[in-house]
Amino acid sequence: DTGVSQNPRHKITKRGQNVTFRCDPISEHNRLYWYRQTLGQGPEFLTYFQNEAQLEKSRLLSDRFSAERPKGSFSTLEIQRTEQGDSAMYLCASSLQGTSYEQYFGPGTRLTVT
Amino acid sequence: AQSVSQHNHHVILSEAASLELGCNYSYGGTVNLFWYVQYPGQHLQLLLKYFSGDPLVKGIKGFEAEFIKSKFSFNLRKPSVQWSDTAEYFCAVNTHNFNKFYFGSGTKLNVKP
Repeated sequence: DTGVSQNPRHKITKRGQNVTFRCDPISEHNRLYWYRQTLGQGPEFLTYFQNEAQLEKSRLLSDRFSAERPKGSFSTLEIQRTEQGDSAMYLCASSLQGTSYEQYFGPGTRLTVT
Repeated sequence: AQSVSQHNHHVILSEAASLELGCNYSYGGTVNLFWYVQYPGQHLQLLLKYFSGDPLVKGIKGFEAEFIKSKFSFNLRKPSVQWSDTAEYFCAVNTHNFNKFYFGSGTKLNVKP
């Protein structure tokens, strides 16, 4: 499968713990996006990378959230000191600059904070 | 800030009925418009997109959408739905720089066989 992959698919953690998610985009895609989706809502933009540079960051992304894409390939999203309100599906998408900007989405990581 | 509104949260249709899902956005500048679909248990996937040119765009599986700039709308249509169209549909907008996408809250379509 050469699509976008995300790991883990599910994560249950206790409030206050740190969690890290990984996204592997389609190999030739240089743009990578993170979104958060809660029940009954559409994906909410969190942040965006072009290669290894983080070019946009939503105000939704509090100081407890950090994302990296160190070599312009895979990306990680870390949430520190998780809160119950962080429970959501975290989606990753990738696209290729210069094309039709079609985003290819991964399956998501479902986070449950207890 | 930009916003995208999908007023129909849940639509139930019988097979062969016609479909129209509403999408309105709020942004005065140049926008690019998308419809994504999420079939049960699957990833979000692109259904169709509008960047410029003919405001009536055709996508996969017989779907089409019409961009009406004066109404800030990008409604999705299909003349005759099938049971396999049961899914959740999301409208999305981004600005000219393509860096941020704004999604609507989605419309769940349930097609009865």
